[in-house]
Amino acid sequence: QIQLVQSGPELKKPGETVKISCKASGYTFTDYSMHWVKQAPGKGLKWMGWINTETGEPTYADDFKGRFAFSLETSASTAYLQINNLKNEDTATYFCARYGWYFDVWGAGTTVTVSS
Amino acid sequence: DIVMSQSPSSLAVSVGEKVTMSCKSSQSLLYSSNQKNYLAWYQQKPGQSPKLLIYWASTRESGVPDRFTGSGSGTDFTLTISSVKAEDLAVYYCQQYYSYPWTFGGGTKLEIK
Repeated sequence: QIQLVQSGPELKKPGETVKISCKASGYTFTDYSMHWVKQAPGKGLKWMGWINTETGEPTYADDFKGRFAFSLETSASTAYLQINNLKNEDTATYFCARYGWYFDVWGAGTTVTVSS
Repeated sequence: DIVMSQSPSSLAVSVGEKVTMSCKSSQSLLYSSNQKNYLAWYQQKPGQSPKLLIYWASTRESGVPDRFTGSGSGTDFTLTISSVKAEDLAVYYCQQYYSYPWTFGGGTKLEIK
């Protein structure tokens, strides 16, 4: 079946780096773009941007330019989100979502906790 | 950016009742060339990831019960649950995919009395 499997929870200190993975299965990885969505504790959904799975070109929403990086390992049908120089406000659950006009398949989410 | 506004922010209903929730966009989501509204609805149950319910404003995703109905056009949209079940306890989000950046509404939290 079609699914996106994300990596497990992360506990990090401010200033550290985290890299989250999202492994796709059940469909041709390059047929759909991959998007990332942030959900802070108790809050709503915020679109972070997307990566073109054919070309590897990322596009970032304004609030996620600078410390955030999307990448791919196409041979493994896997997308990555890396957050550098972590801040307390990065504490959130991060979802990957397949996009083919709308987000029809979502990962379970990866919770990142930033605390000193 | 297109601002999505949902109301109410929360509501509590009894099992079997009809529920209507609203989503308004700051600009039209109707694309004139194909007459499609670029609006989706998602359901997020506690501790889970969002699930697609409705796309193109009114097309039900495969497997979604027919008690869920999306309607509206332009800037005003509605999600209706015809007869609420206990399992419908969730937060419901609308989202526009008309123009970047994609934006979500703040959500409507459905509670069961």
